[in-house]
Amino acid sequence: QQQVKQSPQSLIVQKGGISIINCAYENTAFDYFPWYQQFPGKGPALLIAIRPDVSEKKEGRFTISFNKSAKQFSLHIMDSQPGDSATYFCAASMGDSSYKLIFGSGTRLLVRP
Amino acid sequence: SAVISQKPSRDICQRGTSLTIQCQVDSQVTMMFWYRQQPGQSLTLIATANQGSEATYESGFVIDKFPISRPNLTFSTLTVSNMSPEDSSIYLCSVDQGNTGELFFGEGSRLTVL
Repeated sequence: QQQVKQSPQSLIVQKGGISIINCAYENTAFDYFPWYQQFPGKGPALLIAIRPDVSEKKEGRFTISFNKSAKQFSLHIMDSQPGDSATYFCAASMGDSSYKLIFGSGTRLLVRP
Repeated sequence: SAVISQKPSRDICQRGTSLTIQCQVDSQVTMMFWYRQQPGQSLTLIATANQGSEATYESGFVIDKFPISRPNLTFSTLTVSNMSPEDSSIYLCSVDQGNTGELFFGEGSRLTVL
């Protein structure tokens, strides 16, 4: 029940295309859903996050869509660029323990020029 | 955002030895954490480093194997004790600067155990 399931494991997108990564969870107590971006040899960096009171959050080319009833959330990268090539992790946490992130398994994104 | 420095950035160690990883933050933070990222895998929380008291370990991690120190609000160490090849991982220090749930990570310490 503590798991966050992420798919796909890897994704190849052409430059300018849309990258979509999906995550699903079981624990309805989760109330914070961030996405992290990790480049090789670097630590993960917070990209964008959402709480269940909204269904969508957009920051530049990055959008989180959140479906509370389906217990799913997804990351959309519009106009994908080669510089977006990285590993993306979804995560979830709850309440007073919002720092205790449960991470998904990661998606390795490759954007071809 | 906080600047987090970890040392060493990488090391190769022999089975049975111990290694201490240092984490230095450029500002005082209440919450500091240690995560493990096994090769090609996701991140798993090892423990919360509590200033002035014993660390809080997650299920599957014990103090004898991963002793942690937190002498002040800007510094912490994680020791990986009696290492085996299964301990080969990236160990990441993380902070929650504003107690918001937004974690900032160091670049990690890549440990290879032969």
